[in-house]
Amino acid sequence: NAGVTQTPKFQVLKTGQSMTLQCAQDMNHNSMYWYRQDPGMGLRLIYYSASEGTTDKGEVPNGYNVSRLNKREFSLRLESAAPSQTSVYFCASSPQGGEGRNTQYFGPGTRLTVL
Amino acid sequence: EDQVTQSPEALRLQEGESSSLNCSYTVSGLRGLFWYRQDPGKGPEFLFTLYSAGEEKEKERLKATLTKKESFLHITAPKPEDSATYLCAVRFSGAGSYQLTFGKGTKLSVIP
Repeated sequence: NAGVTQTPKFQVLKTGQSMTLQCAQDMNHNSMYWYRQDPGMGLRLIYYSASEGTTDKGEVPNGYNVSRLNKREFSLRLESAAPSQTSVYFCASSPQGGEGRNTQYFGPGTRLTVL
Repeated sequence: EDQVTQSPEALRLQEGESSSLNCSYTVSGLRGLFWYRQDPGKGPEFLFTLYSAGEEKEKERLKATLTKKESFLHITAPKPEDSATYLCAVRFSGAGSYQLTFGKGTKLSVIP
């Protein structure tokens, strides 16, 4: 049981390049999330998927797109990277209902630098 | 205006010196308050969920409590391995109710 996994762990991009961050969970959770964490800003929600087949914008969605590929996988795409997107990106998942309802479990993160 | 405020920003304790971290929130319609621990270079690790005022949860040296407007994370006789950043997050009712709003964290250092 690996929990939430993310790839890659580190990435350096040049301005204007594109890339996709991958996330997978093996806990059979319905909901998945993408956050970014910047110094002094705390964790901010980019996009989330309440269930397979649905996605919604969070607090800071501009410059990003997401795909909920199936129940396990939720990817985040940067179409044209900008230096302002330099950050640490975390994926999370949560169950619906039950004792642990809405508790989010996080992956190890992807550290992205845009030059 | 921040909806979730954590204090202090940083805390240095001697090993064995008990203390508390605070998380206050300003909106109504609480649907859960969550505490996480984050080590450098790692993702947040879930600690506790509290749902209603008066609720308490404990795990080893940590105890989380909740009132109507704030939560405390009490650390009893801390050890150096308790050094980490502790994050508080709140889920509110209403639009975007799947979202967690995070505080900026308290960085705890426990000195041997």
